[in-house]
Amino acid sequence: DAGVTQSPTHLIKTRGQHVTLRCSPISGHKSVSWYQQVLGQGPQFIFQYYEKEERGRGNFPDRFSARQFPNYSSELNVNALLLGDSALYLCASSFLLAGRDEQYFGPGTRLTVT
Amino acid sequence: AQSVTQPDIHITVSEGASLELRCNYSYGATPYLFWYVQSPGQGLQLLLKYFSGDTLVQGIKGFEAEFKRSQSSFNLRKPSVHWSDAAEYFCAVGPPGDYKLSFGAGTTVTVRA
Repeated sequence: DAGVTQSPTHLIKTRGQHVTLRCSPISGHKSVSWYQQVLGQGPQFIFQYYEKEERGRGNFPDRFSARQFPNYSSELNVNALLLGDSALYLCASSFLLAGRDEQYFGPGTRLTVT
Repeated sequence: AQSVTQPDIHITVSEGASLELRCNYSYGATPYLFWYVQSPGQGLQLLLKYFSGDTLVQGIKGFEAEFKRSQSSFNLRKPSVHWSDAAEYFCAVGPPGDYKLSFGAGTTVTVRA
């Protein structure tokens, strides 16, 4: 079975622009979470979606938004990009919203804002 | 609020030697605890997890971790390191049954021949 896939792999944007990152969870997984990993730091939780509803949000500004589609894939949108938004954006999927099973991470999208 | 501290930014170890990575957490009760490994350009791979029960947890690739409630620690160990273990290691904590994880800043492991 395919793992979590993310697209694009790399992206270069200019300050003030908008970006959309995409994530396809493992087949059958209904929960998707997004994390931001700035260079030299650990991942920081941004959003969690389950059954197309937002179930959790980290400490990120309203410029960050996300949604989950009926097929459980997800998009992360970032508006008015800042230099500080440059990071690796990781998507993780799990079968349940919460429990004892594992979250599986994708390879990430490397966003560079110039 | 939950938080994780990984005191060692970088560790260098000889191949075949033992490895221990430290992790301290802050949480009001017993959280779920995880260790992940990240190779360059890759996503995160789960090495092991602790939910409850036996405080010594076995994971993949020969890693183990011990939960010590009194010290709020969850240190990762491997008896004999292989060159392929060179990577960045992250400790993470989450509320029981919740996937909103908080990660430490990571420890980079270099393996020398």
